[in-house]
Amino acid sequence: EDQVTQSPEALRLQEGESSSLNCSYTVSGLRGLFWYRQDPGKGPEFLFTLYSAGEEKEKERLKATLTKKESFLHITAPKPEDSATYLCAVQVHSGNTPLVFGKGTRLSVIA
Amino acid sequence: GAVVSQHPSRVICKSGTSVKIECRSLDFQATTMFWYRQFPKQSLMLMATSNEGSKATYEQGVEKDKFLINHASLTLSTLTVTSAHPEDSSFYICSATGRGYTFGSGTRLTVV
Repeated sequence: EDQVTQSPEALRLQEGESSSLNCSYTVSGLRGLFWYRQDPGKGPEFLFTLYSAGEEKEKERLKATLTKKESFLHITAPKPEDSATYLCAVQVHSGNTPLVFGKGTRLSVIA
Repeated sequence: GAVVSQHPSRVICKSGTSVKIECRSLDFQATTMFWYRQFPKQSLMLMATSNEGSKATYEQGVEKDKFLINHASLTLSTLTVTSAHPEDSSFYICSATGRGYTFGSGTRLTVV
């Protein structure tokens, strides 16, 4: 069975305190790994897609990396506005198939 | 970028009535749309997959007669919660493929 596990479940950081969120996956075949940000009462907002081991993508204070078993979302010098739930999801099959989601990491950045 | 519009954002309905939620892709054609349900502090749970012009495929445990999905065009899918009960209260989110996986802003349904 395809599985996506995110850790930690919740993370509390001081403003400026860099850290990483983990997404490990066990799937039959990875077509793509997605990171989303979700604010309370909103739908997921797309951040990154990674397709192959060794790939990295950056956007402002966020950097996503991918290995054959896991992905990391690195947050550098976070600000309070980075507080949100970060969701990791994988596409296992080709074509228009649904993503398999992890349970998310709730990030709180304290000023 | 790809935009998916979902309406309404919030709805309160009486027990026993039906509620329709719309999901539109604004700037692309969505061959496939997905409907999710999300409980507080939980991740997204896939309810069904709909392809334009064909019947939706429901996940195990999802009642197809209660959650009616129509995907009549390449830009519009609707979810109708029929004979709603308080236990149907939840956050419903749609997603469309066409330009990656784009999500709507969600609908908070409260059944009283």
